[in-house]
Amino acid sequence: EPEVTQTPSHQVTQMGQEVILRCVPISNHLYFYWYRQILGQKVEFLVSFYNNEISEKSEIFDDQFSVERPDGSNFTLKIRSTKLEDSAMYFCASSGPPGVINYGYTFGSGTRLTVV
Amino acid sequence: EDQVTQSPEALRLQEGESSSLNCSYTVSGLRGLFWYRQDPGKGPEFLFTLYSAGEEKEKERLKATLTKKESFLHITAPKPEDSATYLCAVQAPRNTDKLIFGTGTRLQVFP
Repeated sequence: EPEVTQTPSHQVTQMGQEVILRCVPISNHLYFYWYRQILGQKVEFLVSFYNNEISEKSEIFDDQFSVERPDGSNFTLKIRSTKLEDSAMYFCASSGPPGVINYGYTFGSGTRLTVV
Repeated sequence: EDQVTQSPEALRLQEGESSSLNCSYTVSGLRGLFWYRQDPGKGPEFLFTLYSAGEEKEKERLKATLTKKESFLHITAPKPEDSATYLCAVQAPRNTDKLIFGTGTRLQVFP
């Protein structure tokens, strides 16, 4: 079964450093997303990406965050200057167009980001 | 404000003891309601999408139903391997793709 692949599975970084989280979405999907889950809290939407541009972003997704699809397969989330409160599990997801049978977002296994 | 509330927060069942998880939502113009399973340290695993009141979907021991205000995930004769956190999420008005998640129900099934 097709899956969304995320690397690394765990990243430890110092406060103020830049991190890039990487994702390979399902190949025939058109919509890409980043969500995050702070330990013990809800899964929260960060950003959606379609047709090579951001289609929606949350208030969490401020100027220190950026996303990119550098080639036909990868989708990245960059955090420019990490803060302690950025420590969370970050999930990449992808979805096909609406109307597809069993249309649902497929999530990756996540990257656990720890900022120290 | 769009909101998703799940209950109970935690549920302990004996193997074979059927039960239901609740997801109530307040959202204008529901486009879809999603159920996911999440194992510790893993990403949400897609289970079902429901689009309209009265709709039902089944998969093995799980059955999801939808009304205009809430959804239920019924678990029939659960097994220990059904232990996980079950997440409910809604997709709201036409101009957004984002999912709004509830806090989940942590299910433990004991042999």
